[in-house]
Amino acid sequence: GQNIDQPTEMTATEGAIVQINCTYQTSGFNGLFWYQQHAGEAPTFLSYNVLDGLEEKGRFSSFLSRSKGYSYLLLKELQMKDSASYLCAVHSGAGSYQLTFGKGTKLSVIP
Amino acid sequence: DAGITQSPRHKVTETGTPVTLRCHQTENHRYMYWYRQDPGHGLRLIHYSYGVKDTDKGEVSDGYSVSRSKTEDFLLTLESATSSQTSVYFCAISDPLVDITTGELFFGEGSRLTVL
Repeated sequence: GQNIDQPTEMTATEGAIVQINCTYQTSGFNGLFWYQQHAGEAPTFLSYNVLDGLEEKGRFSSFLSRSKGYSYLLLKELQMKDSASYLCAVHSGAGSYQLTFGKGTKLSVIP
Repeated sequence: DAGITQSPRHKVTETGTPVTLRCHQTENHRYMYWYRQDPGHGLRLIHYSYGVKDTDKGEVSDGYSVSRSKTEDFLLTLESATSSQTSVYFCAISDPLVDITTGELFFGEGSRLTVL
């Protein structure tokens, strides 16, 4: 089976740094994705990790440890527009390209 | 932005009626998916397609059927809608041969369905 866990809600202050964790237990692994979803909108792609380590993309970074089944999304210099849900998703591979999503973490950025 | 349109964007219907949601893409991507999103559950895969007339079930396929007669169109049908199918439905597309490093999903804007 597939199990992906992430915190339900987080609150952080504008200008600060926040780390959103994701742990997964899946039958296979072929990559981990982070998506951002603003309220009432579609999810949009943020990052992809398939090898261990840190991937940096501007204010956002994503880390993966395959041996621990663990990833985090790091958001720096938080802005009000970063208030959104952040979805962790795993591609378990095995010939199909479907993703299994966690329930999402709703991040609220406060002044 | 990927060219994906969903229709209708909003629909209210009654229990027992049939409903069809349409996803249309202009990207010529091979894979198409239907997800539903509910509070407390996140995004869950209903059905997906890996080519014309090639479809398979996802995690929550009961009560749903799909068809793909053309590359660009993927239809989701609720034969007899129930209140438990009230949800936001997202279509997504991907093509690992195009987005070769990731095979990432591109989502449509969603269709909000309410079954009374």
